[in-house]
Amino acid sequence: DAGVIQSPRHEVTEMGQEVTLRCKLISGHNSLFWYRQTMMRGLELLIYFNNNVPIDDSGMPEDRFSAKMPNASFSTLKIQPSEPRDSAVYFCASSLGRGLPNTEAFFGQGTRLTVV
Amino acid sequence: RKEVEQDPGPFNVPEGATVAFNCTYSNSASQSFFWYRQDCRKEPKLLMSVYSSGNEDGRFTAQLNRASQYISLLIRDSKLSDSATYLCVVNNYQLIWGAGTKLIIKP
Repeated sequence: DAGVIQSPRHEVTEMGQEVTLRCKLISGHNSLFWYRQTMMRGLELLIYFNNNVPIDDSGMPEDRFSAKMPNASFSTLKIQPSEPRDSAVYFCASSLGRGLPNTEAFFGQGTRLTVV
Repeated sequence: RKEVEQDPGPFNVPEGATVAFNCTYSNSASQSFFWYRQDCRKEPKLLMSVYSSGNEDGRFTAQLNRASQYISLLIRDSKLSDSATYLCVVNNYQLIWGAGTKLIIKP
């Protein structure tokens, strides 16, 4: 298995533009997590899905952020319009089972977003 | 109070030394615990799960103290390659992450 695959790896965009980040889960996994990491705030959970259903989106910063899971193996995180403070590394992770004991999360390599 | 707290460090440790750091958690009903390692500009990767009886994997030992609500990670005979940020994760039917402890091993 190729693991969790994220694209693009790097994105530089101008303020106000729409940004779409993509994530392909590990086959057979049914939980999907989007995280954001910055030096100031560390690793923050934005949203997580279980069986394609959003379970907790309380970490989504504001209405400019939206996440979808159109099928069991793929997810997108969209920022519209983007702002410089959105600059961060965005990680997608998948796991087998929602919160089962000893459930390990496997991370993609991240998308480094810079909004100028 | 944060749900999961770690000393951010950095811990500057000479090669070959033993180093230990703790992570405290606030929810006594937490189900399971993990240590992840994150190298600079890379994704976090599982280092080890933490079992209630404590567990060891080579030079690494993880322990859980439920009474005091903390987990610990001990690294013996530290190597230069151990330099990384170590993230504590608590599972309360969702994964709650600490901010990480930065470890720098010096030659």
